[in-house]
Amino acid sequence: EAQVTQNPRYLITVTGKKLTVTCSQNMNHEYMSWYRQDPGLGLRQIYYSMNVEVTDKGDVPEGYKVSRKEKRNFPLILESPSPNQTSLYFCASSPRQGARTEAFFGQGTRLTVV
Amino acid sequence: GENVEQHPSTLSVQEGDSAVIKCTYSDSASNYFPWYKQELGKGPQLIIDIRSNVGEKKDQRIAVTLNKTAKHFSLHITETQPEDSAVYFCAALDSSASKIIFGSGTRLSIRP
Repeated sequence: EAQVTQNPRYLITVTGKKLTVTCSQNMNHEYMSWYRQDPGLGLRQIYYSMNVEVTDKGDVPEGYKVSRKEKRNFPLILESPSPNQTSLYFCASSPRQGARTEAFFGQGTRLTVV
Repeated sequence: GENVEQHPSTLSVQEGDSAVIKCTYSDSASNYFPWYKQELGKGPQLIIDIRSNVGEKKDQRIAVTLNKTAKHFSLHITETQPEDSAVYFCAALDSSASKIIFGSGTRLSIRP
């Protein structure tokens, strides 16, 4: 089944404890991205990747890191999480470079930082 | 950069009636406008999209209209059904063509 898989689905952590949210897609898509969803703010892009080893900042990149060593994986790293990073996170992938095609979203990761 | 505004934030309609969600965008160079539906506990899913070379697109009970001069586009759902209850997001492609900018979302509720 074609899908984007995020793990974990739920995570509660403490301020300052490094964490990684994994994202994997099995559709051989070139473009991948991370969003956070907050009430009243919609989906805001954190980072995106046009292809392997190519990443760029989205609209809210502060406090986050990403890497794209393989085409299928695009992990989101929070080196020192803070309470304002409590949010619902989505990974997405698209078939071709650029964003002019359908984005396929994962199920989401609900992160709470206390 | 691109900015997308979406209204209303919540919408409640009687089953069988129509629902309309409106969005405006700021970048006149934008040429791709997708709409996503997010059901409870799931990720957003594309339901329809429109490119700037057309003014309207339909898919069964769903239609999207685009007015490039006024820089606004709308989602129309006719004959609403309970399964249409969800959060809907409009979006516009940034002029760099590297990212999609989303609106703030509309929570649609269908009353039985």
